[in-house]
Amino acid sequence: GENVEQHPSTLSVQEGDSAVIKCTYSDSASNYFPWYKQELGKGPQLIIDIRSNVGEKKDQRIAVTLNKTAKHFSLHITETQPEDSAVYFCAAILSGGGADGLTFGKGTHLIIQP
Amino acid sequence: ETGVTQTPRHLVMGMTNKKSLKCEQHLGHNAMYWYKQSAKKPLELMFVYSLEERVENNSVPSRFSPECPNSSHLFLHLHTLQPEDSALYLCASSQDYSGGSYEQYFGPGTRLTVT
Repeated sequence: GENVEQHPSTLSVQEGDSAVIKCTYSDSASNYFPWYKQELGKGPQLIIDIRSNVGEKKDQRIAVTLNKTAKHFSLHITETQPEDSAVYFCAAILSGGGADGLTFGKGTHLIIQP
Repeated sequence: ETGVTQTPRHLVMGMTNKKSLKCEQHLGHNAMYWYKQSAKKPLELMFVYSLEERVENNSVPSRFSPECPNSSHLFLHLHTLQPEDSALYLCASSQDYSGGSYEQYFGPGTRLTVT
């Protein structure tokens, strides 16, 4: 089955700086890679995703890059703000022909220092 | 109500109790999921339902019993749980197309404590 590794487990950055979180996956057939943000007391919120036919996707201050050859993908947050503080999870899935469960990384606790 | 809702938000139960968790999605989706989130472990998939049929059961102990009466509602029936079952139980939904199922949207979860 799929295995997803996520690093770092904790990341502290100054407000206004950029943050990068990296994930690797094991199943080369995986074709969909979402990122979730989870705030205290809430469920994971989908913030951005990428499919295997695309190398990069951007949405305002967040972007995701995918390297299929190396089997890794990264989340980039620019101009970080206090409200970006949360736990971020990457996930991977081979999606096709029916509903499938996501395989998640262990999460990164992002701390934005004022 | 919008999105995915879960009740109750918090539940404390003894090992001999029987309880049920409820999930409702208001997104018009046709697939629903149960995930377990324990401290210091990745979210773990428990069950998947597509068009009200169970399509995946991820080696979950029989003390957890899912039920999906229609595409908008999902239940997780609990009985004779163990303390290690204490966790956040998350429900999610997605739209399942013939070409695959992608974006999954999560509810706020039920924080379960087994005493």
